[in-house]
Amino acid sequence: GAGVSQSPRYKVAKRGQDVALRCDPISGHVSLFWYQQALGQGPEFLTYFQNEAQLDKSGLPSDRFFAERPEGSVSTLKIQRTQQEDSAVYLCASSPWGSYEQYFGPGTRLTVT
Amino acid sequence: GDSVTQMEGPVTLSEEAFLTINCTYTATGYPSLFWYVQYPGEGLQLLLKATKADDKGSNKGFEATYRKETTSFHLEKGSVQVSDSAVYFCALDGRGETSGSRLTFGEGTQLTVNP
Repeated sequence: GAGVSQSPRYKVAKRGQDVALRCDPISGHVSLFWYQQALGQGPEFLTYFQNEAQLDKSGLPSDRFFAERPEGSVSTLKIQRTQQEDSAVYLCASSPWGSYEQYFGPGTRLTVT
Repeated sequence: GDSVTQMEGPVTLSEEAFLTINCTYTATGYPSLFWYVQYPGEGLQLLLKATKADDKGSNKGFEATYRKETTSFHLEKGSVQVSDSAVYFCALDGRGETSGSRLTFGEGTQLTVNP
């Protein structure tokens, strides 16, 4: 079956622009996670949804970052007024109810110039 | 808070050599432990997992044992292949009450296997 998909795969933004990154989880997966992976580092947690409810957003680095999952399926991570330090790969993962396993998408590489 | 520490890399081995990548963790409660692999140009893939103390996870010839007494989850393989060249991440799921299954990752270890 289809895995987690993310779009766009690559995004170049000028400093100050707003960007929106999309995640399509595996069908039926209840949990959805966003992570940020800086070059040469491990992924770091940003936020977590269970269905449409955002249960944890403690990892969002600033109020410029906003995530939503209005119908409990597709999720969008929005970054307003991008800064150079936002340059990273943004990973989305989904997980079925009660499972320990997270299935990752290919990521969106964001470069802010 | 939760944290994961991996051995410093990168690691370069010859084909058929023995591999160990060290991983230690700090967590409250009883975490589940994972190894993820990231092949060049691909996304993160779950390699193996262990959900309680003394469990051994295994897959594709890789093994790791959940050692609560030493808070470790070292990755081993008896004979590496060129195709094992990738970045390996140790991770834990702290099972927080409100945070669900958020994963905390180590820094990653780049493995290169030469023919």
